[in-house]
Amino acid sequence: RKEVEQDPGPFNVPEGATVAFNCTYSNSASQSFFWYRQDCRKEPKLLMSVYSSGNEDGRFTAQLNRASQYISLLIRDSKLSDSATYLCVVKGAGGYQKVTFGTGTKLQVIP
Amino acid sequence: DGGITQSPKYLFRKEGQNVTLSCEQNLNHDAMYWYRQDPGQGLRLIYYSQIVNDFQKGDIAEGYSVSREKKESFPLTVTSAQKNPTAFYLCASSIGSQFADTQYFGPGTRLTVL
Repeated sequence: RKEVEQDPGPFNVPEGATVAFNCTYSNSASQSFFWYRQDCRKEPKLLMSVYSSGNEDGRFTAQLNRASQYISLLIRDSKLSDSATYLCVVKGAGGYQKVTFGTGTKLQVIP
Repeated sequence: DGGITQSPKYLFRKEGQNVTLSCEQNLNHDAMYWYRQDPGQGLRLIYYSQIVNDFQKGDIAEGYSVSREKKESFPLTVTSAQKNPTAFYLCASSIGSQFADTQYFGPGTRLTVL
């Protein structure tokens, strides 16, 4: 089983739709979780951290389910500008705090 | 204006040549990282450095070398020993290496071996 798994997509959704992505992780000792956004041929940029209690930033909501070992990202009222690849990032325990990136889920918002 | 810079943006190399990719940050971050990204794969860690004059191998260090002589600089050399060097190389930094510390990325260098 991969350390971090994401559905590669693409998810093709119309403008205004709500879309959700999940990301599963294998190491139950993982400490922290993030969602990054990566535009085509660009660097990843932090979208949001994921807290145990869940957190919201405008149209974006991130949640963590430790029991089932997954995190989720919900995007409401999708905009054309949301089209990108969304990377799940998991940090484990240990001296270095190993960081593992998922392969990403591609979102295409259609007019 | 704080940030991470990488140069060059595009780099072409002939087989058998070593090449050095630049990474500079003015964020006063202690930790710096090098990743490579290949199509359909997640970012893979090449090397990381938590403090000046210290660095550790990541998951795919073979064929690469680094130095950390200054806090703000972490250059990566891709040697001729790296069998498949064509990739998108990303440098990142974070305040420290604690689990809550977020990594911030530079714009990347696309290396193509001809």
